[in-house]
Amino acid sequence: NAGVTQTPKFRILKIGQSMTLQCAQDMNHNYMYWYRQDPGMGLKLIYYSVGAGITDKGEVPNGYNVSRSTTEDFPLRLELAAPSQTSVYFCASSFGQPNNEQFFGPGTRLTVL
Amino acid sequence: QQQVKQSPQSLIVQKGGIPIINCAYENTAFDYFPWYQQFPGKGPALLIAIRPDVSEKKEGRFTISFNKSAKQFSLHIMDSQPGDSATYFCAASGNTGGFKTIFGAGTRLFVKA
Repeated sequence: NAGVTQTPKFRILKIGQSMTLQCAQDMNHNYMYWYRQDPGMGLKLIYYSVGAGITDKGEVPNGYNVSRSTTEDFPLRLELAAPSQTSVYFCASSFGQPNNEQFFGPGTRLTVL
Repeated sequence: QQQVKQSPQSLIVQKGGIPIINCAYENTAFDYFPWYQQFPGKGPALLIAIRPDVSEKKEGRFTISFNKSAKQFSLHIMDSQPGDSATYFCAASGNTGGFKTIFGAGTRLFVKA
């Protein structure tokens, strides 16, 4: 099993550009999450999904969009990149309830200039 | 009510020392308290977790102490090693009107050889 995979590993965007961060898991987990990690700020939940076709906002959803058309994939879309979106982005998944262990991907380091 | 406060921000100990990281929460609906370990350039990974029906849990050199009445829990690392140098996050989750895990801000631990 590959676990949770994320692409790309690194990306530099110009202000106003758009991009999609890809996330896939092969563990047949129902729950998937997107977090951003800023220095000294821990992990902030952007969006989450409890199954295919179902998504909901987390703590910091502004400027982002998600979709969940399959159990495996949970892409995160940035429409108009801003410097405030410079961060490390982690995708995670868990089986069943969220009290179960979350498995994290290796992260995408995004810089917006 | 949804915050998890973690301290200290950073910690330096000698090899063999016992670093202690503390967390406090407010929402009594939380019923699952995991600790995640993150090495530089990697995603967080579950280290150990506890539920509020027990006051202590040990896994190898790692121990969680839980004080339900004080709404506090802590991580102790016995006989710490340089390989334990990492960032540690406490977290809390439960069916609190949304399936979310709230993370503390993280503690950067450095174990001197």
